[in-house]
Amino acid sequence: NAGVTQTPKFQVLKTGQSMTLQCAQDMNHNSMYWYRQDPGMGLRLIYYSASEGTTDKGEVPNGYNVSRLNKREFSLRLESAAPSQTSVYFCASSDPSVKANYGYTFGSGTRLTVV
Amino acid sequence: EDQVTQSPEALRLQEGESSSLNCSYTVSGLRGLFWYRQDPGKGPEFLFTLYSAGEEKEKERLKATLTKKESFLHITAPKPEDSATYLCAVDASGTYKYIFGTGTRLKVLA
Repeated sequence: NAGVTQTPKFQVLKTGQSMTLQCAQDMNHNSMYWYRQDPGMGLRLIYYSASEGTTDKGEVPNGYNVSRLNKREFSLRLESAAPSQTSVYFCASSDPSVKANYGYTFGSGTRLTVV
Repeated sequence: EDQVTQSPEALRLQEGESSSLNCSYTVSGLRGLFWYRQDPGKGPEFLFTLYSAGEEKEKERLKATLTKKESFLHITAPKPEDSATYLCAVDASGTYKYIFGTGTRLKVLA
């Protein structure tokens, strides 16, 4: 019963390096999301994918790109990491068609430090 | 602008001391309000969804209520294992992009 799996769990990058955060869900959810969580700022939406084949910008998309590889997988790429991207990144999924309970299921997070 | 504000930022309770957490929201059209629990180093865990004013949901020692301007998470006779950060979020646009509050850090002392 894995739910939402994120890799890696921890990462340290140097300024200017690139990396891809991976996310996969096994609940057959249509919608997937990437959030970042910073102290005092709460969770902020970076990008989301309402369904396979579609992606849209959230509140803080600058410096990031995403790929919805298939229904299960949604990756987040940092092309040129900056210290301001030091954060905890959460992937989430949901099935909004199930109105009775369409809360997000979150992964356990990726703790990224950019030095 | 759509906004979610949670209070207090932090709360310390003695075991068995009941209290309430507040989530006030300013949105153009509420589609749903959500409560999550987040333990240190983990992702948020879904607790409740509320859709309309007057609605209530319960789970063990937790009860969530909703009015037209705010939601309360009531914690009855809390135990140390209830210690966590509690997050509130709203779906205002119907596009499933939640707006999160900054959370209330709850500490229950034995």
